[in-house]
Amino acid sequence: GAVVSQHPSRVICKSGTSVKIECRSLDFQATTMFWYRQFPKQSLMLMATSNEGSKATYEQGVEKDKFLINHASLTLSTLTVTSAHPEDSSFYICSAAGTGVSYEQYFGPGTRLTVT
Amino acid sequence: AQSVTQLDSQVPVFEEAPVELRCNYSSSVSVYLFWYVQYPNQGLQLLLKYLSGSTLVKGINGFEAEFNKSQTSFHLRKPSVHISDTAEYFCAVRGAGNMLTFGGGTRLMVKP
Repeated sequence: GAVVSQHPSRVICKSGTSVKIECRSLDFQATTMFWYRQFPKQSLMLMATSNEGSKATYEQGVEKDKFLINHASLTLSTLTVTSAHPEDSSFYICSAAGTGVSYEQYFGPGTRLTVT
Repeated sequence: AQSVTQLDSQVPVFEEAPVELRCNYSSSVSVYLFWYVQYPNQGLQLLLKYLSGSTLVKGINGFEAEFNKSQTSFHLRKPSVHISDTAEYFCAVRGAGNMLTFGGGTRLMVKP
């Protein structure tokens, strides 16, 4: 149980285009989803937290107009990278969490974005 | 605020040798600690977690960790490593809003 999927796993796009990444919790209801960015050989950097039906909360330094997050249902959150540039190339990982004191975040397999 | 420090960025070790990956944390709220493993181009997989109770926590793949409140540490150990344990390991502490703060990661390199 507690499986999180991401689609696509890899994507290459041209500068100036937009890319949408989907994060789905397959067998549980995720009240909260998190989006992380990971640069090569570095740790995960939290970009934003989204609660179902609410606006996402972005971390300091993350442009909310560039990284659009939508958490429309308890099983789906999307991250759209708008007007992508080569510096947006990175590994993007989502995680999903349910409710309760002892709940944990379950991580998706990640999406490798390359902007050319 | 929470922070996590993983003291070693890389740990080389020979196959079947024991290993310890160090993690120190600071937290202003109740302490919930996690260790994750990441294989190349994959997401994170939970190895083990400490929420409360016994300070010695056993996880998957033969790993265990010990919560030491006085030393604010949560070191990860395995008595005998395999080639397949080669990966990146992340220690994390959970804070307010159930957000995770990650350490910088430790690359475990198991050599034959």
